[in-house]
Amino acid sequence: QKEVEQNSGPLSVPEGAIASLNCTYSDRGSQSFFWYRQYSGKSPELIMSIYSNGDKEDGRFTAQLNKASQYVSLLIRDSQPSDSATYLCAVNPGGGADGLTFGKGTHLIIQP
Amino acid sequence: EAGVAQSPRYKIIEKRQSVAFWCNPISGHATLYWYQQILGQGPKLLIQFQNNGVVDDSQLPKDRFSAERLKGVDSTLKIQPAKLEDSAVYLCASSYLAEEQFFGPGTRLTVL
Repeated sequence: QKEVEQNSGPLSVPEGAIASLNCTYSDRGSQSFFWYRQYSGKSPELIMSIYSNGDKEDGRFTAQLNKASQYVSLLIRDSQPSDSATYLCAVNPGGGADGLTFGKGTHLIIQP
Repeated sequence: EAGVAQSPRYKIIEKRQSVAFWCNPISGHATLYWYQQILGQGPKLLIQFQNNGVVDDSQLPKDRFSAERLKGVDSTLKIQPAKLEDSAVYLCASSYLAEEQFFGPGTRLTVL
């Protein structure tokens, strides 16, 4: 059973601070990793993808991948109230066009 | 570029009734996915199409769920008969570069 684990939260972070979201996965052979943001009542929106060990930065977002530890994280710098949402970690176990395995998501609250 | 289109957006039915959902992927996207998202959970893959063909339907409850993708573009997902536990959001996603998947707005199904 391929699993993706996330702390469900809520994670409360003051406005302007760094929000750190974590995810672990069970399938050591997993190839690609994604972070989706989901506002209440809306569908998931892709915000970051990462395929190799290390950091990948895009604006205020940084994804970090450590395949040896089977660990993925998302950092959000200068957090804004509009970042308040559920963040879903998704893993593509086999690479290519395989379906994704999602975690349950972490509910992030940015406090003004 | 238009996104993934889905209809209807909301559907309420009685248990044992049937229901169908429609999805139109992003133009040119060969791969189409149907996910089920139960409240408080991450999306779960039901079925994946590559053009007309089914790639993965291992998690599709085939005794009541069916899906087709005629002509390699639009897709329909059907439930017959519906059960109370089928209440969920049904998300359609598509991908072109084999990795990144983009979601439609979803269909929220309530089974009474």
